[in-house]
Amino acid sequence: SQQGEEDPQALSIQEGENATMNCSYKTSINNLQWYRQNSGRGLVHLILIRSNEREKHSGRLRVTLDTSKKSSSLLITASRAADTASYFCATDSSGGSNYKLTFGKGTLLTVNP
Amino acid sequence: ETGVTQTPRHLVMGMTNKKSLKCEQHLGHNAMYWYKQSAKKPLELMFVYNFKEQTENNSVPSRFSPECPNSSHLFLHLHTLQPEDSALYLCASSHTQRGETQYFGPGTRLLVL
Repeated sequence: SQQGEEDPQALSIQEGENATMNCSYKTSINNLQWYRQNSGRGLVHLILIRSNEREKHSGRLRVTLDTSKKSSSLLITASRAADTASYFCATDSSGGSNYKLTFGKGTLLTVNP
Repeated sequence: ETGVTQTPRHLVMGMTNKKSLKCEQHLGHNAMYWYKQSAKKPLELMFVYNFKEQTENNSVPSRFSPECPNSSHLFLHLHTLQPEDSALYLCASSHTQRGETQYFGPGTRLLVL
């Protein structure tokens, strides 16, 4: 079953507005990551938050993590047209000594000029 | 540029062809991954190599055959593919396979006719 699931599936906003995307997951994690993907390109890592952290900032990005609710949110402030992309959360799961990331379906963000 | 390159960027092949996808990372990482990304589906992990050893095969059909000759190179050999195998194939690497940040290549867009 899918571990991470983003909400909403699609989001359209005007330039300058804030964008909030949510991610819910099912099992315990060590960390949660957010990635960005421009159309037809590879994923780019944005931010990693560990299970013992509640909030993390990077430039215009703010990520929160609520392990009791098994959810995370990504806030992009003062959005720009260049922020238009798909955003994915990824959670790690352990399989013995090896770990793998499980990605959600993503949120497609469109920022209109 | 993420330090991970993939060739070719686009590939069209018939169901009886044999082709190979190549991935190279210049980051000194020890873990490499193949993912499949199809429309409207989550990113699917296919294979993982850690220190040149395969540590994950996510029930991938045998028509996909990975090869990892060293920690910097990863191949995906394709033969007798099906039209449903058409997708974006992404390679990624990380320092080790411990749920860390992954660095993705730009992907190979594959179309099977």
